[in-house]
Amino acid sequence: NFMLTQPHSVSESPGKTVTISCTGSNGSIASNYVHWYQQRPGSAPTTVIYKDSQRPSGVPDRFSGSIGGSSNSASLTISGLKTEDEADYYCQSYDSSHRGVFGGGTKLTVL
Amino acid sequence: EVQLLESGGGLVQPGGSLRLSCAASGFTLTNYAMTWVRQAPGKGLEWVSDISGGGGSTNYADSVKGRFTISRDNSKNTLYLQMNSLRAEDTAVYYCAKDLSRDPRGLDYWGQGTLVTVSS
Repeated sequence: NFMLTQPHSVSESPGKTVTISCTGSNGSIASNYVHWYQQRPGSAPTTVIYKDSQRPSGVPDRFSGSIGGSSNSASLTISGLKTEDEADYYCQSYDSSHRGVFGGGTKLTVL
Repeated sequence: EVQLLESGGGLVQPGGSLRLSCAASGFTLTNYAMTWVRQAPGKGLEWVSDISGGGGSTNYADSVKGRFTISRDNSKNTLYLQMNSLRAEDTAVYYCAKDLSRDPRGLDYWGQGTLVTVSS
């Protein structure tokens, strides 16, 4: 079964840059788009990156997404960190049977 | 403005049934696939099921296949999830989400969720 693996947690200081990885278990992660969702405590998820690197309107350009080359991974990068960025972040894609797959989530702490 | 409002959650005994609804507004429902995602208490997001814009194509997670049925009534701007043979492990907040296109490609808007608790 296709799986997406994320680090459990990352932490960084305000104003710095952090990158969260999302690694596919087999095949090429680039076979389907990767999307990124933010979930603040007690709230529903929201979309911060779709189709690998596209930003929905209203999402600051501090958020960017990319697909790795040979590493079979996608990345979410947040620059100029703010305390409001503290949240859980999930990557998501689809397997070969067109079923959705989420990564396990990464807890971002801004301290 | 896109709005998604889930309803129908509640407490149900193991083996029971529940039907969730998701009322959509602010966009033409038939033009977009729709997805249900759940989150067990303290856990991550789990993709449950999706349905194409016209309703002709559906997909299910192995954990719910044969027990849950996704459907939609585009004339009523509503998405449904019929849940049968419920188990304790189905306890979660269930979110409906709008897809990027007529076929499932990724999610751009989410509802606030409805809590389903399966317990005796």
